[in-house]
Amino acid sequence: GENVEQHPSTLSVQEGDSAVIKCTYSDSASNYFPWYKQELGKRPQLIIDIRSNVGEKKDQRIAVTLNKTAKHFSLHITETQPEDSAVYFCAAGGSYIPTFGRGTSLIVHP
Amino acid sequence: NAGVMQNPRHLVRRRGQEARLRCSPMKGHSHVYWYRQLPEEGLKFMVYLQKENIIDESGMPKERFSAEFPKEGPSILRIQQVVRGDSAAYFCASSEGQDDYEQYFGPGTRLTVT
Repeated sequence: GENVEQHPSTLSVQEGDSAVIKCTYSDSASNYFPWYKQELGKRPQLIIDIRSNVGEKKDQRIAVTLNKTAKHFSLHITETQPEDSAVYFCAAGGSYIPTFGRGTSLIVHP
Repeated sequence: NAGVMQNPRHLVRRRGQEARLRCSPMKGHSHVYWYRQLPEEGLKFMVYLQKENIIDESGMPKERFSAEFPKEGPSILRIQQVVRGDSAAYFCASSEGQDDYEQYFGPGTRLTVT
């Protein structure tokens, strides 16, 4: 089955800095890579996703890149704000069941 | 369009009791997924259901756990004879279709076993 590794487990940045979270996956058949944000005590919410036919996707301050050859994908957040503080999960899937990473706790200090 | 609904939001059970968790998918969604999340851990897939069918239950413990998604009504995750290790947040998600469709998560049920 699919195996997703996510790093770092904790990321602390100053407001205005950029944050990068990286994930690797094992199954070359995976073709859908969503990222979820989960604030404390709340539900995971999709913030951006990318499919295997695209190398990069942007949405305002958030971008995701995908390297299918190396089987890794990354989330980039620019100009971080305190409200970006949350746990971020990557996932990889080619079938109906995405496999989730263990999450990255992002802390943005004002 | 109401989102995914889960109830109860919080559930306390004593060891040996039964826990029933309910999930109503988004309108128009016929695919339901259940996940378990332990503190400071990721989401672990448990079971995937469509109306009246269990499609994949490979992540669900063989004993004490069962799930259903009847033709009418919500999906139900049932845990019999709960133990302390069952304490976790249980999230339900729904999607329009399978494959790479976006999954929308419910608010979760936080189960505490005392």
